[in-house]
Amino acid sequence: DTEVTQTPKHLVMGMTNKKSLKCEQHMGHRAMYWYKQKAKKPPELMFVYSYEKLSINESVPSRFSPECPNSSLLNLHLHALQPEDSALYLCASSPSTSRGNTEAFFGQGTRLTVV
Amino acid sequence: AQSVTQLGSHVSVSEGALVLLRCNYSSSVPPYLFWYVQYPNQGLQLLLKYTSAATLVKGINGFEAEFKKSETSFHLTKPSAHMRDAAEYFCAVSPYNNNDMRFGAGTRLTVKP
Repeated sequence: DTEVTQTPKHLVMGMTNKKSLKCEQHMGHRAMYWYKQKAKKPPELMFVYSYEKLSINESVPSRFSPECPNSSLLNLHLHALQPEDSALYLCASSPSTSRGNTEAFFGQGTRLTVV
Repeated sequence: AQSVTQLGSHVSVSEGALVLLRCNYSSSVPPYLFWYVQYPNQGLQLLLKYTSAATLVKGINGFEAEFKKSETSFHLTKPSAHMRDAAEYFCAVSPYNNNDMRFGAGTRLTVKP
């Protein structure tokens, strides 16, 4: 199984809603990532978890709250988002640890629209 | 954080022509380098990677890239373009000692019949 599965595929939420994005992998990878991608732009790194601990937070606003309950799951909790947060949210995982990132496997993404 | 620069936001080639997509990295220590492809409304798929082994790296779908330390480059090539190669291509960099992976701005490849 070389898949990273993201749910839901599409999400429309109001600015006062609370929702969560989910990501799952069963490749035994110990690093997991959230990226945000706006239209016609590259993915922007948001968070990195390594061994279920947050290792990188790219100064993301607190309305985005990541969670890594175990080595296979990664969540992104959303609250009080703004319309400019509408984007494709990509999850990725990699087998690397402190020896660097040999490659990352990406999910298909969640297309988020904030209204 | 390290970075990569992709020269040319849009490249157009004829079917059967050579594909050359350019990527330069900024790092005093050779990092790990990657090329990913993204089709519309899809995630990213790894084409190939350089992790300090062979400097000429072969990937999927007939693509290859050569790591040139003297030029700090990792350009992607394919001898003969096919219509199905039309997509967005991203070069990415990651230091050899942590999980920070960053992407270039991307190059949109168009293939004309």
